[in-house]
Amino acid sequence: SAVISQKPSRDICQRGTSLTIQCQVDSQVTMMFWYRQQPGQSLTLIATANQGSEATYESGFVIDKFPISRPNLTFSTLTVSNMSPEDSSIYLCSVEDTQGYTFGSGTRLTVV
Amino acid sequence: GENVEQHPSTLSVQEGDSAVIKCTYSDSASNYFPWYKQELGKRPQLIIDIRSNVGEKKDQRIAVTLNKTAKHFSLHITETQPEDSAVYFCAASLRTGNQFYFGTGTSLTVIP
Repeated sequence: SAVISQKPSRDICQRGTSLTIQCQVDSQVTMMFWYRQQPGQSLTLIATANQGSEATYESGFVIDKFPISRPNLTFSTLTVSNMSPEDSSIYLCSVEDTQGYTFGSGTRLTVV
Repeated sequence: GENVEQHPSTLSVQEGDSAVIKCTYSDSASNYFPWYKQELGKRPQLIIDIRSNVGEKKDQRIAVTLNKTAKHFSLHITETQPEDSAVYFCAASLRTGNQFYFGTGTSLTVIP
């Protein structure tokens, strides 16, 4: 299956600031997905990132708050902008590979 | 969009017993149904999946059944072991390569 390197693994940020999360995949993939998992909760899809086009956002998520870049077929970033404590969560990227869908190791974000 | 419901939210079984987790979905066009296991502090890992052209799939102690007419699918774990303790998520997708939507999760505890 695909190997995904996700960074940072965790961070503590001040409210009002922004954090950019990176995912690097060891193979080319058409789509990359970004999820949020709040403590003890399920995974919620934020957006789908295609190379060469704007990301597609799910209901409740907007580009101004969660801008996404997808410069090539192996890399994507998600930025959490103007953070508030409610943004404290785990953020995960995901790709489809021959074994199904594989997730990055996640970024545990705490906003203080 | 797709709505996936999952039951029960928590499940405790004695070691060696079977565990069954059930999910329902709303969109009859969904045709791919993976199950993920997430251990505490770790990323979700795919354990088994099923596509709409089959009714059952088995992999050692794990099996998944699908009833497309009723729009529900289930995970069956036999001969449970303490290392099966984790949170399990079902998901549904319209097709591979598309985003998918997770159930709310089931916290399984296997009591030695």
